[in-house]
Amino acid sequence: GNSVTQMEGPVTLSEEAFLTINCTYTATGYPSLFWYVQYPGEGLQLLLKATKADDKGSNKGFEATYRKETTSFHLEKGSVQVSDSAVYFCALSDYTGANSKLTFGKGITLSVRP
Amino acid sequence: EAGVAQSPRYKIIEKRQSVAFWCNPISGHATLYWYQQILGQGPKLLIQFQNNGVVDDSQLPKDRFSAERLKGVDSTLKIQPAKLEDSAVYLCASSLGLWGGTDTQYFGPGTRLTVL
Repeated sequence: GNSVTQMEGPVTLSEEAFLTINCTYTATGYPSLFWYVQYPGEGLQLLLKATKADDKGSNKGFEATYRKETTSFHLEKGSVQVSDSAVYFCALSDYTGANSKLTFGKGITLSVRP
Repeated sequence: EAGVAQSPRYKIIEKRQSVAFWCNPISGHATLYWYQQILGQGPKLLIQFQNNGVVDDSQLPKDRFSAERLKGVDSTLKIQPAKLEDSAVYLCASSLGLWGGTDTQYFGPGTRLTVL
């Protein structure tokens, strides 16, 4: 079955540091890949997505590239801010017709200190 | 544009009691999802509706959980009777229902359930 594996957390960084959060996946077909973010007290929000191999998703300074050869979708940001403190979830959707359920990783908590 | 609405935001009940959650999706979204998020884990799909029909309920514990979306708009999720292990955040999401990998799910704020 489908699965998503995220690196163990939590992660604590200083402001302006470089961020990498690793994500690898297992899927039977050709999934779409997503990063969702959950800020304190809020619901899940889509951060970025990529729908095919070699696509790069980007938003708010975050980037992730769909690497089919390594089955990875690592999240990066060149300079984190305190406001980036949140829980980050990697997810995939292996569409089969109308069934578009998301399979999530466990999530990782990022704390950015001033 | 209004987002996905859920109520209540918090609920505390005793085990063996019943509880119901309500979700109103984004207007025009054909697909509605209920997820269960246990502390420290990612959300897990419980049930997916396309309009008012069920697409996937393979991970719904049907002996105690039920869900409906009678008019293809808002939805309710019920637990009866609740167990301690049902303590979690219940998330509702909706999407346009596009095929072919272009659909995006939008999530509500969730309902945090505590079963004592």
